[in-house]
Amino acid sequence: SQELEQSPQSLIVQEGKNLTINCTSSKTLYGLYWYKQKYGEGLIFLMMLQKGGEEKSHEKITAKLDEKKQQSSLHITASQPSHAGIYLCGADMGNTDKLIFGTGTRLQVFP
Amino acid sequence: DAGVTQSPTHLIKTRGQQVTLRCSPKSGHDTVSWYQQALGQGPQFIFQYYEEEERQRGNFPDRFSGHQFPNYSSELNVNALLLGDSALYLCASSFGVGYEQYFGPGTRLTVT
Repeated sequence: SQELEQSPQSLIVQEGKNLTINCTSSKTLYGLYWYKQKYGEGLIFLMMLQKGGEEKSHEKITAKLDEKKQQSSLHITASQPSHAGIYLCGADMGNTDKLIFGTGTRLQVFP
Repeated sequence: DAGVTQSPTHLIKTRGQQVTLRCSPKSGHDTVSWYQQALGQGPQFIFQYYEEEERQRGNFPDRFSGHQFPNYSSELNVNALLLGDSALYLCASSFGVGYEQYFGPGTRLTVT
């Protein structure tokens, strides 16, 4: 099984709706990264979380890391077409900067 | 401030050939990691370079090798290319363990 599970795999929402993407690990995380990727392109850094209970926001995107540091969620408020893309969570499970990635969540936002 | 840059953007090679991909880290970053991303999958860690040494390695064969230069830029070399090596190769840089990692735009390698 995957070390890092991401859900849902795919999400289609109407513009203006809120949505949440989850990332779950069976191990304690030293760091949890969220990235956005347009098809076939590089990864755009969104946020990095390291402390249990930590929450960060950037524009309409909020990410949280739970107290046990085994689960993170990414929440988008009032989604826009510009939010469309693939969202990837990457985890550092050994405090080594080696990131393990989930398979990604493909987000589509329609008008 | 330039971010992480990679070259070339695209590359087409024949099975059995060798390829070299290049990466320049974000200004001020000294650690470079390489990842392979197959279509529809998340990136897979290949190896990481720090102070011109390979610091850690993922589950990739010895056909994959690398180098880091004194200016922190890095190369990824793949020998005896296989069809399965076709992927997007991503370079990431950071200021060390526990700091934010930034990715480049990637090099799309197609092996025919």
